[in-house]
Amino acid sequence: NAGVTQTPKFQVLKTGQSMTLQCAQDMNHNSMYWYRQDPGMGLRLIYYSASEGTTDKGEVPNGYNVSRLNKREFSLRLESAAPSQTSVYFCASSEGPISSGEQYFGPGTRLTVT
Amino acid sequence: GENVEQHPSTLSVQEGDSAVIKCTYSDSASNYFPWYKQELGKRPQLIIDIRSNVGEKKDQRIAVTLNKTAKHFSLHITETQPEDSAVYFCASGGGGADGLTFGKGTHLIIQP
Repeated sequence: NAGVTQTPKFQVLKTGQSMTLQCAQDMNHNSMYWYRQDPGMGLRLIYYSASEGTTDKGEVPNGYNVSRLNKREFSLRLESAAPSQTSVYFCASSEGPISSGEQYFGPGTRLTVT
Repeated sequence: GENVEQHPSTLSVQEGDSAVIKCTYSDSASNYFPWYKQELGKRPQLIIDIRSNVGEKKDQRIAVTLNKTAKHFSLHITETQPEDSAVYFCASGGGGADGLTFGKGTHLIIQP
């Protein structure tokens, strides 16, 4: 049981480049989330997905798109990266809505945009 | 939307003493309050959580208290040990939207 996995672990982009961060979970969870963590800040919710085929905006969605490809996978896309998107990105999953149980985090992707 | 305030930002205690970290939240509909520990370069790990139908929960040296009327909750760590040194985050959820709203974190330093 790998839990929540993320790829890549590290990435450096130039301003304007695009990339997709991948996330997968093997716990048969319905809900999946993307957060970003900046220095001195807590995690902030970018997007979430309550079930396959549905996605909703979180606190800081601007500049990002997401896809819930199937129950296991939830990807985050930066179409035109900006230095302000330099951050550590965490994917998470939970069995149902957050009030129903623990949220499990992936190991994170450290992204630098120059 | 929800707003979570966390204090203090840094807390230094002697090994063996107790540590208390406090959080307030703004959305009265929130009903789930987890605490996470994060070591440098690692993912957040859940250490304890509480739901709004409970006022206190304890797990060995860690306890959390919740005051729904005042909209604040606290983490208590007793008999602190060097391995307790980390950044601790409070969070709230279960209100209107899914997902968690996090505080900005407390860097807990255990002095030998």
